[in-house]
Amino acid sequence: AQTVTQSQPEMSVQEAETVTLSCTYDTSESDYYLFWYKQPPSRQMILVIRQEAYKQQNATENRFSVNFQKAAKSFSLKISDSQLGDAAMYFCAYRSSNNAGNMLTFGGGTRLMVKP
Amino acid sequence: KAGVTQTPRYLIKTRGQQVTLSCSPISGHRSVSWYQQTPGQGLQFLFEYFSETQRNKGNFPGRFSGRQFSNSRSEMNVSTLELGDSALYLCASSLVGPTNTEAFFGQGTRLTVV
Repeated sequence: AQTVTQSQPEMSVQEAETVTLSCTYDTSESDYYLFWYKQPPSRQMILVIRQEAYKQQNATENRFSVNFQKAAKSFSLKISDSQLGDAAMYFCAYRSSNNAGNMLTFGGGTRLMVKP
Repeated sequence: KAGVTQTPRYLIKTRGQQVTLSCSPISGHRSVSWYQQTPGQGLQFLFEYFSETQRNKGNFPGRFSGRQFSNSRSEMNVSTLELGDSALYLCASSLVGPTNTEAFFGQGTRLTVV
């Protein structure tokens, strides 16, 4: 079974600065998908960024980028130019590409606080 | 395009009762997954339905069940409620295909068991 670990329960960043959230995972599969989801106080999970394991290039979405290290099974999220609206819970998630389904395995989450 | 709709948003039930939660996926999405979110256990996968069939199941007791209708709407049922069932229940819908990997989530149903 796959596991996802987020070692930072809480992180804090000054507005306009850069912060990196860590995620490691354990799997014996070679092909899979990784995601970062944001959960604001409204509770709705919002997809921030996704990475296909077969792609070597790190995914980027505006101010959000990932550092995907497949051999190390590491998938960190970098948020540049942090904004007050970035304050939320962030979850790293894994999805197998072999599984004929959409089951996500989540990490425990990192609460990001943004200081004005 | 309407998002994933979960009803009700809040629910208070008594131990021993049963409860049914509803999830309407995004139009065209045939896969619906359910997750339980608690402070202690985090986000845990309950089950996934696709074309009215349960395709995947998480490690939850048989008190937790679900179904999917022909219009892809899904319901989740919890029988004989326990205090530990208090949680946020999230539903997610997805397209099905080799490159369609994104799950879209609803706002959840907050269940409190007293």
